Amino acid sequence: QKEVEQDPGPLSVPEGAIVSLNCTYSNSAFQYFMWYRQYSRKGPELLMYTYSSGNKEDGRFTAQVDKSSKYISLFIRDSQPSDSATYLCAIDSFSGGYNKLIFGAGTRLAVHP
Amino acid sequence: SQTIHQWPATLVQPVGSPLSLECTVEGTSNPNLYWYRQAAGRGLQLLFYSVGIGQISSEVPQNLSASRPQDRQFILSSKKLLLSDSGFYLCAWNHEGEVEAFFGQGTRLTVV
Repeated sequence: QKEVEQDPGPLSVPEGAIVSLNCTYSNSAFQYFMWYRQYSRKGPELLMYTYSSGNKEDGRFTAQVDKSSKYISLFIRDSQPSDSATYLCAIDSFSGGYNKLIFGAGTRLAVHP
Repeated sequence: SQTIHQWPATLVQPVGSPLSLECTVEGTSNPNLYWYRQAAGRGLQLLFYSVGIGQISSEVPQNLSASRPQDRQFILSSKKLLLSDSGFYLCAWNHEGEVEAFFGQGTRLTVV
């Protein structure tokens, strides 16, 4: 079983739609959950992260963690064409003095006008 | 401010040829450094990480090696490339205990 599972999509939505991106993970010990955004031919950039369970909101983006079901989500409200990118969930496994980021496969999102 | 440089952006190499990808970080000291590979439809796979000069840990057995000759320099190498080495290679850094990692722009390697 992979440590982090993510549907690679692609996902195509009209502008203004609410987007839901999801991942599941296997190790209940994970504490930090991250969402990275990657534009085509670029390196990923951290979008937001949450610690333990709960929600975190930043503008149009909401990250949600449900530790009981080992499920993490990213919601994008009022999606824009500029949101078109690949979204990668990541789990932070801190051990031995470094952060080993375990990534999902990434979901490619296309928001069309 | 801190920046990370990775080059080249694109590389096409024949099977059996050597490889050297370089990554440097500016504006910080004693970073943790990482090499990831991203294959199409798959997540980022951690290849190597380094917590200091000359200290390299490998995550997966492979045809590649890494070196850290200076504090802010991280090099990914191969003596003989395989077709399966094709992919998008990303260098990243952070500081010990920090959650966020900062990525370079990546090198797209095609082995032909």
